[in-house]
Amino acid sequence: QSVLAQPPSVSAAPGQKVTISCSGSSSNVANNYVSWYQHLPGTAPKLLIYEDDKRPSGIPDRFSGSKSGTSAALGITGLQTGDEADYYCGTWDNILSTWVFGGGTNLTV
Amino acid sequence: EVQLLESGGDLVQPGGSLRLSCAASGFTFSNYAMSWVRQAPGKGLEWVSAISGGGAAIYDADSVKGRFTISRDNSKNALYLQMSSLRAADTAVYYCAKDRKYNYGWGFDSWGQGTLVAVSS
Repeated sequence: QSVLAQPPSVSAAPGQKVTISCSGSSSNVANNYVSWYQHLPGTAPKLLIYEDDKRPSGIPDRFSGSKSGTSAALGITGLQTGDEADYYCGTWDNILSTWVFGGGTNLTV
Repeated sequence: EVQLLESGGDLVQPGGSLRLSCAASGFTFSNYAMSWVRQAPGKGLEWVSAISGGGAAIYDADSVKGRFTISRDNSKNALYLQMSSLRAADTAVYYCAKDRKYNYGWGFDSWGQGTLVAVSS
């Protein structure tokens, strides 16, 4: 049972948009920055979004992050088959005093 | 370019020990916190341990507390994870991850390819 709740899977057609949610609490999402990671099995995870809504250099603007209260979300527009991967949210938890990840969401395009 | 290269993964018996290493390059190693993150077969990412840039602050997940020890040698640009009293539940790919800042808790902007630890008799 992950501290941060994500849907196990989402799917959408190529070219469409998808949103992946990340639900937490006042001890984590609401009061700390959220980051998002893309992970293809067997490869190194990749940072997509940091500090809720900022994109590292090299990450296309098709990827966006948002947050409101105890929930955060990752949006992906113009879906491509190459976007098929597992997506994780993560943040610091003030009560646990540890970093926590969501359970991950598998995206099918 | 930031590079993180893990090594040391192996097949080990329950109760055994193992030491993982992560060789870092492409950035000023001592300026950043570092972490180990693992992924068990069929499971999601799980943070394991973190250490601040200077090594003074260390954090461990409850699942490994008292069994795993994270350390770093800034003169060698190397991160380590000493694992003992290993259990089947520790079977996973272990990733070395670079934190975004000196102190832990800001997210991870670079990751290694991972090294596999299998605990089985």
